[in-house]
Amino acid sequence: DPKIIQKPKYLVAVTGSEKILICEQYLGHNAMYWYRQSAKKPLEFMFSYSYQKLMDNQTASSRFQPQSSKKNHLDLQITALKPDDSATYFCASSPRDTEVFFGKGTRLTVV
Amino acid sequence: QQKVQQSPESLSVPEGGMASLNCTSSDRNFQYFWWYRQHSGEGPKALMSIFSDGDKKEGRFTAHLNKASLHVSLHIRDSQPSDSALYFCAASYSGGSNYKLTFGKGTLLTVTP
Repeated sequence: DPKIIQKPKYLVAVTGSEKILICEQYLGHNAMYWYRQSAKKPLEFMFSYSYQKLMDNQTASSRFQPQSSKKNHLDLQITALKPDDSATYFCASSPRDTEVFFGKGTRLTVV
Repeated sequence: QQKVQQSPESLSVPEGGMASLNCTSSDRNFQYFWWYRQHSGEGPKALMSIFSDGDKKEGRFTAHLNKASLHVSLHIRDSQPSDSALYFCAASYSGGSNYKLTFGKGTLLTVTP
């Protein structure tokens, strides 16, 4: 059973539109993250949330906004989508100071 | 410049053979190194971590760290077709920031039956 559920698995969006990527984790971790994997760059850290509070933000653009409605939820809202945003977005979580567990990802294509 | 560089980009080994993957960091502030494996259609999964100089063995997998040269390697003994995957080296600055990983571009390993 997948312990980190990401929805949808695939997503196609039009340039300029807005999308929300959903993530729920059932590992009991208090810390959750978003990473991005694109064709041009290695897997890269975006955000860190702990106890539903933003702890670390490595994303320069304000078009990317995490949203945490529950302790085990961390969605990612992306506005004014650009073709360069096309990537696979991974939700992840971890117990404190140990390995990071990744979901299966949402592959976003912006046309 | 990438802070974590991996080589080779791809590697093919026969079943039962030894696979050797390399990783070099350009940032001496990295303290922890991780090896992650990603099968097609899945998210990355941690294989092992290493933060002390020397070898660390877990089953068929052995990681080696040389902090002086900032070099990390992963050796897979008795490679199996199920080991075919994308392998990432990742680094973090401290134990407290192990969530904030800097990844290399990966080595694609193919184990041929």
